[in-house]
Amino acid sequence: GQNIDQPTEMTATEGAIVQINCTYQTSGFNGLFWYQQHAGEAPTFLSYNVLDGLEEKGRFSSFLSRSKGYSYLLLKELQMKDSASYLCAVRPFSGGYNKLIFGAGTRLAVHP
Amino acid sequence: DSGVTQTPKHLITATGQRVTLRCSPRSGDLSVYWYQQSLDQGLQFLIHYYNGEERAKGNILERFSAQQFPDLHSELNLSSLELGDSALYFCASSPQEGDVYNEQFFGPGTRLTVL
Repeated sequence: GQNIDQPTEMTATEGAIVQINCTYQTSGFNGLFWYQQHAGEAPTFLSYNVLDGLEEKGRFSSFLSRSKGYSYLLLKELQMKDSASYLCAVRPFSGGYNKLIFGAGTRLAVHP
Repeated sequence: DSGVTQTPKHLITATGQRVTLRCSPRSGDLSVYWYQQSLDQGLQFLIHYYNGEERAKGNILERFSAQQFPDLHSELNLSSLELGDSALYFCASSPQEGDVYNEQFFGPGTRLTVL
């Protein structure tokens, strides 16, 4: 089966750092994506990991451990506009298929 | 703006009806994906087309069907609509398929309300 778990909600303070965790169990693994989604809007791509380790992209970093089926998204210097849902998605298959399995998302609220 | 367009933006219809949602991928993208997002669920993968051919199916109901046309736009047809079909339907596109890094670009979505 396929299962992706993320916390439902998190809160943080403007200027702080927050880590959003994602654990997954899928039949095969071919990459993990993080997307940001503001309410009622389209998801937008944040990061991609296929090998173990940390990928840094400005205020956002994403980490992957394939042996543990674990990833996290780290957001630094939080801004009010970072209040959104953060979606962890796994691409389970190889061989030409680009299907993504999404977690339910973590709703992040940033307070002043 | 991702470059993916979807029409209509909103659709209100009655149970038992049939609707068609349309998606135009980014220029040059060959792959189109359809997702459903209900209030109580995350994004659910429905179906993937690549250059006109169906590539992968997710939890797509038999009442739903899709196709990708020669100009690469795609349509998702939903029939015998039920209240539970009310959701946001997203289309996404990517340049190709395969094992390479292949970000999906999402359109703005169509909000379907079934009354």
